[in-house]
Amino acid sequence: KAGVTQTPRYLIKTRGQQVTLSCSPISGHRSVSWYQQTPGQGLQFLFEYFSETQRNKGNFPGRFSGRQFSNSRSEMNVSTLELGDSALYLCASSYTGGRNNEQFFGPGTRLTVL
Amino acid sequence: AQKITQTQPGMFVQEKEAVTLDCTYDTSDPSYGLFWYKQPSSGEMIFLIYQGSYDQQNATEGRYSLNFQKARKSANLVISASQLGDSAMYFCAIRSYNTDKLIFGTGTRLQVFP
Repeated sequence: KAGVTQTPRYLIKTRGQQVTLSCSPISGHRSVSWYQQTPGQGLQFLFEYFSETQRNKGNFPGRFSGRQFSNSRSEMNVSTLELGDSALYLCASSYTGGRNNEQFFGPGTRLTVL
Repeated sequence: AQKITQTQPGMFVQEKEAVTLDCTYDTSDPSYGLFWYKQPSSGEMIFLIYQGSYDQQNATEGRYSLNFQKARKSANLVISASQLGDSAMYFCAIRSYNTDKLIFGTGTRLQVFP
């Protein structure tokens, strides 16, 4: 069974640009969550999608948005990039979401904003 | 609101020795799950062990065990017989049962030396 995949793995953008990151969950998983990891703020929850609906959202500005498709693949978009958006963006999937379902993480997308 | 506290920024342990990584949590939810993840320098988050708030016994997974003390709100990770490959960042996380949102601690960097 293939694991969670994230594309691209590395990305360099400049301030003001926008970026779209993609996450393909493990086959059969319907829940996808996104996290931002920075040296200063650590791991922070961005949002969670389940069956194409955003079920939970973290404390990030509206420049951060996401969506989930009918095949459970998810994308997150960051508009008007700022230097502080440089981070490792991790995606995680689980079977149903909730209870003790383990979340499987992808390798992450490392975004650098210049 | 939920919170995870990991008070050990760094730990050193000799190969083949056991090590305990501390984690305390705060939550008002009656049902929750506690997780430990390992993050090597490659960046991927690797699931290690899970403990449910209503589980009567401490969780074990191979060389990993979780010392769960509910009244004290602690969920320490014990790694027995440390190996050089255990050198990594270790994160404790908490999740309510009705969501996939993980709240992470700041992590502990474990270094295993020969």
